[in-house]
Amino acid sequence: DGGITQSPKYLFRKEGQNVTLSCEQNLNHDAMYWYRQDPGQGLRLIYYSQIVNDFQKGDIAEGYSVSREKKESFPLTVTSAQKNPTAFYLCASSIAATGALTDTQYFGPGTRLTVL
Amino acid sequence: AQSVTQPDIHITVSEGASLELRCNYSYGATPYLFWYVQSPGQGLQLLLKYFSGDTLVQGIKGFEAEFKRSQSSFNLRKPSVHWSDAAEYFCAVGAPFNDYKLSFGAGTTVTVRA
Repeated sequence: DGGITQSPKYLFRKEGQNVTLSCEQNLNHDAMYWYRQDPGQGLRLIYYSQIVNDFQKGDIAEGYSVSREKKESFPLTVTSAQKNPTAFYLCASSIAATGALTDTQYFGPGTRLTVL
Repeated sequence: AQSVTQPDIHITVSEGASLELRCNYSYGATPYLFWYVQSPGQGLQLLLKYFSGDTLVQGIKGFEAEFKRSQSSFNLRKPSVHWSDAAEYFCAVGAPFNDYKLSFGAGTTVTVRA
């Protein structure tokens, strides 16, 4: 089955620790995205990547880092510099390198991160 | 920059009744408009999208939405709701010349009562 997988589904972290969230897609999509979702708010863009070895900051990139070494993988690291990391994190992908909005963004099932 | 408002945080509707979810956007020209649905603890699924042309857009699961430029609105409708439609619904807007960025509303939670 083609799709986007995110792991783990639930993640707990102690304050001061970095943690990496996995996102893998087998849709052969060029563009990938990371969003953060908080209760009562819409999704906010953290980072996006239009092509391998290239990525751009979104609206709330501070305290996060990403890499795009392979087309199918776009891991997100939540660093200790992120002041309020507890949230639901969603990964998405779309087909074209331009990341054109006319291309549908397909979402993974999400990872819920809780900082203890 | 574009923005979107969903005025209703929570709507309760009876099964079989009609549903309308409101979405208002702010953008200087005609934006790209989207409706997504999210089941609890899951990712988002695209219901429908509007770029241009016919202002009444048909989507999956029996949903439709109408773009009204004069009201800066893109309301989502379904004539007869099923219990499986209970979910959170997000309206999103994108600017045609800002390819990567979608701005999402805060969402409307729909509860379906028997």
